[in-house]
Amino acid sequence: DAGITQSPRYKITETGRQVTLMCHQTWSHSYMFWYRQDLGHGLRLIYYSAAADITDKGEVPDGYVVSRSKTENFPLTLESATRSQTSVYFCASSDWSNQPQHFGDGTRLSIL
Amino acid sequence: AQRVTQPEKLLSVFKGAPVELKCNYSYSGSPELFWYVQYSRQRLQLLLRHISRESIKGFTADLNKGETSFHLKKPFAQEEDSAMYYCALRIYNQGGKLIFGQGTELSVKP
Repeated sequence: DAGITQSPRYKITETGRQVTLMCHQTWSHSYMFWYRQDLGHGLRLIYYSAAADITDKGEVPDGYVVSRSKTENFPLTLESATRSQTSVYFCASSDWSNQPQHFGDGTRLSIL
Repeated sequence: AQRVTQPEKLLSVFKGAPVELKCNYSYSGSPELFWYVQYSRQRLQLLLRHISRESIKGFTADLNKGETSFHLKKPFAQEEDSAMYYCALRIYNQGGKLIFGQGTELSVKP
């Protein structure tokens, strides 16, 4: 599904730096989600958004900030990166809360 | 508490053998369950949704509310089925978020 794109695909940074991961979808889906994928944990929800300017915390929000000024974009910011935030990050979107979620290709983030 | 459990981290079978990937859930509401598949380093793709009762790529899954299970089955595994499989439970009161199991890596050997 080319309708949801994440950038960058790979990122290496240092502890303490600010990092922003981008997510863009072209379907005008209302709902957008950020998950992190870690071995032994599957995927865990960081934040989600039901519409522009509406965001809410998921299971593991600490250390992350999101915004949604436009329906199509849902950036995720690590304000001061830590090694424990090394992970693969997936963005997803769905038209309604009862529709399947479509996932992006993921961003592989390494924090040294 | 809402929870999804996939007890097997790795399942290894030979081509042509039957496959069953286990998934158990804990949820007080009416469950909606999914299976997602992730081929090597690719995005997650929806494989099955229990309410649609479809068969995709030969896979089926039946929701058993009595046993709180949603096991994924295929009668004859193919090498191209090798992938990571995630079972997920939708929670409606939090934007329809998904709670994922830890995943099961399926390896189909020739």
